[in-house]
Amino acid sequence: GAGVSQSPSNKVTEKGKDVELRCDPISGHTALYWYRQSLGQGLEFLIYFQGNSAPDKSGLPSDRFSAERTGGSVSTLTIQRTQQEDSAVYLCASSLRPAGELFFGEGSRLTVL
Amino acid sequence: SQELEQSPQSLIVQEGKNLTINCTSSKTLYGLYWYKQKYGEGLIFLMMLQKGGEEKSHEKITAKLDEKKQQSSLHITASQPSHAGIYLCGADGRSNYQLIWGAGTKLIIKP
Repeated sequence: GAGVSQSPSNKVTEKGKDVELRCDPISGHTALYWYRQSLGQGLEFLIYFQGNSAPDKSGLPSDRFSAERTGGSVSTLTIQRTQQEDSAVYLCASSLRPAGELFFGEGSRLTVL
Repeated sequence: SQELEQSPQSLIVQEGKNLTINCTSSKTLYGLYWYKQKYGEGLIFLMMLQKGGEEKSHEKITAKLDEKKQQSSLHITASQPSHAGIYLCGADGRSNYQLIWGAGTKLIIKP
């Protein structure tokens, strides 16, 4: 597709369940970011992938969060044993190069009941 | 660590009026990005500023970077309903790929 695609757009889950969020970046973009945006807050960095390099996971809030990027393209963010405080919009962005213009997906809105 | 403070947090403006949003950094700004977000959508890149005193315009939106003040301002002239949304500033952070983000300014345009 022409832009960054994220799915699902909305996810409602029960506390304790696992969820997977998917990001399909723009073809050819080597850099991929995951951010979390809570209501009224700025963007919270979660994880960064660049090509085949080891990802920067320094922003993951707990070991319940993990992400992978297969074949340098599609990325999946997994949240295990979800908690209510995990409720937020999870945004994925890709760029052609580090620190360049970021292209964002429309986000996955997660609600944990 | 570097922080970005945006002001105001929210703004209600009569259609047709001008407005300014500010982004102030706790440290020297080397690269400053402005993005716009509409409800339920992702962020859309507006402009990037790198040099002190730099000014860029896109349609009715003008952004300036004042390095001395460690501040950038976003000015909208003759606001329209299409300008409504959340404006976020981001700055080059501790690494060459990680941006520091402001909390955003919510702009509402009254018809």
